[in-house]
Amino acid sequence: SQQGEEDPQALSIQEGENATMNCSYKTSINNLQWYRQNSGRGLVHLILIRSNEREKHSGRLRVTLDTSKKSSSLLITASRAADTASYFCATTRRDAGGTSYGKLTFGQGTILTVHP
Amino acid sequence: KAGVTQTPRYLIKTRGQQVTLSCSPISGHRSVSWYQQTPGQGLQFLFEYFSETQRNKGNFPGRFSGRQFSNSRSEMNVSTLELGDSALYLCASSPMTSGTYNEQFFGPGTRLTVL
Repeated sequence: SQQGEEDPQALSIQEGENATMNCSYKTSINNLQWYRQNSGRGLVHLILIRSNEREKHSGRLRVTLDTSKKSSSLLITASRAADTASYFCATTRRDAGGTSYGKLTFGQGTILTVHP
Repeated sequence: KAGVTQTPRYLIKTRGQQVTLSCSPISGHRSVSWYQQTPGQGLQFLFEYFSETQRNKGNFPGRFSGRQFSNSRSEMNVSTLELGDSALYLCASSPMTSGTYNEQFFGPGTRLTVL
């Protein structure tokens, strides 16, 4: 079953605008990651934020994490038509031993369409 | 470095048959995970292998199995295929240095269609 929910399910914007996607999750996490997927192809890793971090930047991407609310947001600034894709958040849980293994739990994703 | 490769890219099978999918991780990556993606269930974790051992398993029936070889390459097998097994199967590798979780790098996937 999916760990969390993503909001909105679909987002349509014009080139140059900013896009914000939100993700909520249910359990304590070790880290949270964002991935992009183009048309049913493989997933491309965008950014990883650890549970003790609150904000992270990478190029036009800004990710925030609020562990008290169990939520994260991904902001894409100055969007381009090439940003059109599905975006997924994925979490790794913190187990009793404090070690995370290679299991990602994904949200349902946000479909982003950027119109030229 | 070359990325994660998966073979075959597309596969068509009929109900009751079995299928084997292959994944070659990025050189030096010892952890390989498998995921199933369907429109209805989204992305779901199948299993993860590290140093030839299955370390984690998702909630899939025993028809789904996998293994990892000494060179970290991995295969997954689905026996007695059902229509609902039609999906994109994604493999991902991770360096997993010193037991610390790192990001996973995904292959292009194998699109399996069961008729």
